[in-house]
Amino acid sequence: LAKTTQPISMDSYEGQEVNITCSHNNIATNDYITWYQQFPSQGPRFIIQGYKTKVTNEVASLFIPADRKSSTLSLPRVSLSDTAVYYCLVVASGTYKYIFGTGTRLKVLA
Amino acid sequence: EAEVAQSPRYKITEKSQAVAFWCDPISGHATLYWYRQILGQGPELLVQFQDESVVDDSQLPKDRFSAERLKGVDSTLKIQPAELGDSAMYLCASSTRLLQETQYFGPGTRLLVL
Repeated sequence: LAKTTQPISMDSYEGQEVNITCSHNNIATNDYITWYQQFPSQGPRFIIQGYKTKVTNEVASLFIPADRKSSTLSLPRVSLSDTAVYYCLVVASGTYKYIFGTGTRLKVLA
Repeated sequence: EAEVAQSPRYKITEKSQAVAFWCDPISGHATLYWYRQILGQGPELLVQFQDESVVDDSQLPKDRFSAERLKGVDSTLKIQPAELGDSAMYLCASSTRLLQETQYFGPGTRLLVL
């Protein structure tokens, strides 16, 4: 099973780009990497998903190197409302095991 | 936008009592998940259904927890008897199919066991 490791917390200022890295050394060939955002007292919300190289949507980018042992979530120009916990999720195909990482608590300062 | 519904949103109970949580997934979603999230930690998968069948319940404490999805639509998670350590957020999620990485989560039920 691909265990994930993330920084516990990060601080940033409004308008800056934030990069959060997730380590998943044991990721299997067919596993996908997904990132979720969670606000207090709410369920996690899907942000972005990728398999390799780079994926971009309207809110974030996901960078995955060739060895796929890590991934980086990039949030451009963060605002105060981006203050949340961000989780990296690797879906272990074939085992149906969904493993959330420890989560990174991002605090955006004015 | 369709959402996963959960009730109740909050539940306070005394230890040794029985509690039940209800989840109604997004219409048409075949896969349903129950997670437990202890404060400050990531969600932990308890049980996963594909339609009415259990796909994985290896992390479900079966001596006190039970889950069902009789008609393959809504689901109930029960704890009997509740223990102090069960205090947590219980999240329900659904997806269109197994191994669908995009899971849609409900607002959760916050349980406090006294």
